[in-house]
Amino acid sequence: SQTIHQWPATLVQPVGSPLSLECTVEGTSNPNLYWYRQAAGRGLQLLFYSVGIGQISSEVPQNLSASRPQDRQFILSSKKLLLSDSGFYLCARTDRGTSRNTIYFGEGSWLTVV
Amino acid sequence: EDQVTQSPEALRLQEGESSSLNCSYTVSGLRGLFWYRQDPGKGPEFLFTLYSAGEEKEKERLKATLTKKESFLHITAPKPEDSATYLCAVQAGANNLFFGTGTRLTVIP
Repeated sequence: SQTIHQWPATLVQPVGSPLSLECTVEGTSNPNLYWYRQAAGRGLQLLFYSVGIGQISSEVPQNLSASRPQDRQFILSSKKLLLSDSGFYLCARTDRGTSRNTIYFGEGSWLTVV
Repeated sequence: EDQVTQSPEALRLQEGESSSLNCSYTVSGLRGLFWYRQDPGKGPEFLFTLYSAGEEKEKERLKATLTKKESFLHITAPKPEDSATYLCAVQAGANNLFFGTGTRLTVIP
């Protein structure tokens, strides 16, 4: 199974408030995990990826951060949201031991900053 | 600079009217080209991976092909349930895909 759970599915947050989006995966050990953002009319943008617990790489400088406290858990956070943080956030995975690194996506979290 | 361009942006077809979606790319060291289907408000669903020019993959009414500069997603006799946004992505580095902005397909009964 390639199950990826994301929550919350939808949230509306005021500017300046904190953010925590959570992603957990099932059916695999030691996956690579990713956070993407999809803004209206734009392609998916890679924000962070992680190859293991505590290992985070950032692709785009911004006021977001990511953490991986457990092998199958990936968290996207912000201390103070901006209006420009609104968008559709997708957690994704690739599995070790499989060929060619196909990326599978979760169902996404809609964030509206007001 | 690595780039992925999809065309057309939107496509309306009558049910049964076959067509093709285009994905052109410039990337150094292509490791794979991916097609995804995305329904409104949902995460992308994996369809195909193509690795080398000349390769083809099929799934139901969809067929993906790859050349050295572009990929086509052919849709044969589409049905209304094929309506979705189709995303193309290329993998160059080990941990990133470059995505196009997608083609929004509408199939009219």
